Amino acid sequence: NAGVTQTPKFRILKIGQSMTLQCTQDMNHNYMYWYRQDPGMGLKLIYYSVGAGITDKGEVPNGYNVSRSTTEDFPLRLELAAPSQTSVYFCASILGWAIDQPQHFGDGTRLSIL
Amino acid sequence: AQSVTQLGSHVSVSEGALVLLRCNYSSSVPPYLFWYVQYPNQGLQLLLKYTSAATLVKGINGFEAEFKKSETSFHLTKPSAHMSDAAEYFCAVKPPGANSKLTFGKGITLSVRP
Repeated sequence: NAGVTQTPKFRILKIGQSMTLQCTQDMNHNYMYWYRQDPGMGLKLIYYSVGAGITDKGEVPNGYNVSRSTTEDFPLRLELAAPSQTSVYFCASILGWAIDQPQHFGDGTRLSIL
Repeated sequence: AQSVTQLGSHVSVSEGALVLLRCNYSSSVPPYLFWYVQYPNQGLQLLLKYTSAATLVKGINGFEAEFKKSETSFHLTKPSAHMSDAAEYFCAVKPPGANSKLTFGKGITLSVRP
């Protein structure tokens, strides 16, 4: 199994451009998450989804949108890129919240906005 | 609301020395606690988790952590550091509940000197 796959791995955007960060998982997990990681700040939750058709805001949702039309895919969209959105973005998934199940993380998308 | 404190941003040890990475949490209810490791240009991998069973938890790669309720701590230790342990380590807390979310600490970078 591939686990959690994120594309692209790297991207440079100009201010005001838009893009979609892709995340797909092949483990039939119900819960999916988007985090951003900034140096010295840990991971901050942007959005999450508990199943297809259901999404909710996390700690830092402003400037982002998500959708969850299928169990496998959870894309993150930046509509008007701003320098403050320069970060490393991680997608994660988990089957459910039974405690013996860890979150599975993708390898990240490194995004620079200039 | 829960929070996690990881004091300091960088720890350096000699190969073969004891590794001690500190984590203190704040939670209104007994939480679940996790340690994750992140190697360069990769996502996070679960090292170990505390699930209210044994207070001493053993994880992968020789790491272990002890839950101390009186000290609200969940420090990560390894008796003998290896060069391959150099990475960033994150402590995370989650209150019980199906839709509750992980809160991550800011992370600690571990360097291992030859």
